[in-house]
Amino acid sequence: EPEVTQTPSHQVTQMGQEVILRCVPISNHLYFYWYRQILGQKVEFLVSFYNNEISEKSEIFDDQFSVERPDGSNFTLKIRSTKLEDSAMYFCASREAGQAIYGYTFGSGTRLTVV
Amino acid sequence: DAKTTQPNSMESNEEEPVHLPCNHSTISGTDYIHWYRQLPSQGPEYVIHGLTSNVNNRMASLAIAEDRKSSTLILHRATLRDAAVYYCILNTGNQFYFGTGTSLTVIP
Repeated sequence: EPEVTQTPSHQVTQMGQEVILRCVPISNHLYFYWYRQILGQKVEFLVSFYNNEISEKSEIFDDQFSVERPDGSNFTLKIRSTKLEDSAMYFCASREAGQAIYGYTFGSGTRLTVV
Repeated sequence: DAKTTQPNSMESNEEEPVHLPCNHSTISGTDYIHWYRQLPSQGPEYVIHGLTSNVNNRMASLAIAEDRKSSTLILHRATLRDAAVYYCILNTGNQFYFGTGTSLTVIP
């Protein structure tokens, strides 16, 4: 069964450093998402991406965050200057067109630890 | 954001059916009802979704009330692998709002 692949599985970074989280969505999917889950809390929406641009973003997704799909396969989330509160699991998801028919496929996540 | 209400936790014996309820009284006509589950240390996993009619797939069944204000996820025979947090989500467009879900414990 096709999978959404996320790398790395665990990243430790110092506060103030930039991090890039990588995702390879399923190849024929057109919509891409980032979610995060702080330990013990709910899964929270960050951003959705379609047709090479952001279609929606949450309040969490401030100027420190950016996304891009540089080569038509990878989908990345960049955090420019990490804060301690950015420590969380970050999940990438993708889906085909037509949410009437298709569900979303999530990756296994990247655990980001900011020290 | 559209809200759903689920019990915090439920228990089931292995090999028995499980009915996980969800209330969504503020659902709008175009909202799809999605169910996902999250096993420990993993990402959410798609289970099933529907709009108005009941749905079946290899993982589960989804029973949707006639007024669409509630739904029930049915696992026909619970296994230990089904122990997870189950989220009922109304898809209002391009994003999901996850609640706290129902933590299902399966007792051997």
